[in-house]
Amino acid sequence: SQELEQSPQSLIVQEGKNLTINCTSSKTLYGLYWYKQKYGEGLIFLMMLQKGGEEKSHEKITAKLDEKKQQSSLHITASQPSHAGIYLCGADIQGAQKLVFGQGTRLTINP
Amino acid sequence: GAGVSQTPSNKVTEKGKYVELRCDPISGHTALYWYRQSLGQGPEFLIYFQGTGAADDSGLPNDRFFAVRPEGSVSTLKIQRTERGDSAVYLCASSLGSGGSYEQYFGPGTRLTVT
Repeated sequence: SQELEQSPQSLIVQEGKNLTINCTSSKTLYGLYWYKQKYGEGLIFLMMLQKGGEEKSHEKITAKLDEKKQQSSLHITASQPSHAGIYLCGADIQGAQKLVFGQGTRLTINP
Repeated sequence: GAGVSQTPSNKVTEKGKYVELRCDPISGHTALYWYRQSLGQGPEFLIYFQGTGAADDSGLPNDRFFAVRPEGSVSTLKIQRTERGDSAVYLCASSLGSGGSYEQYFGPGTRLTVT
């Protein structure tokens, strides 16, 4: 089983709609990262969350960390075609100083 | 400034051959990580360096895989006697330090295909 589970695995939304992607860990989180990846390209760093209850925003993307539940959510408001891609959560689990990743969520934005 | 770069971007090799994949980290980043990503999956950790030494190589799948970082900057991932199952995108990342407090910045990856 995966140490980090992302849901949903795939998401299709209409342009302009809001959406949420979730990431749940089976172990204690010491840092939670969100990345975006386009096909055939590397990972683009979006945000890092470290403390329980922490929330960060960049443009129309907001990420939150619920330390007690060992979960993070990524919320996109008023989605645009440029938001399409694969979103990956990565975590430093139990202070191991390496990242474990979820399997990714493929986001498609329909015009 | 320049990001993490990786060469080659694509590598096709025959089963049984030896390959080297190179990573140039962001200048000043002391920590360097190698990950492997198979189609439809998230990256999987292989090895990380703090300076010149391999601090954790627990993700290397077997002894055909080896990585070096002799001067604490550029790193080379070496794969001997390649197998078809080694086909994947190999990603390199670097950070100012190691641990969950530091962002890891990724390169574009090297797509390895073993025929």
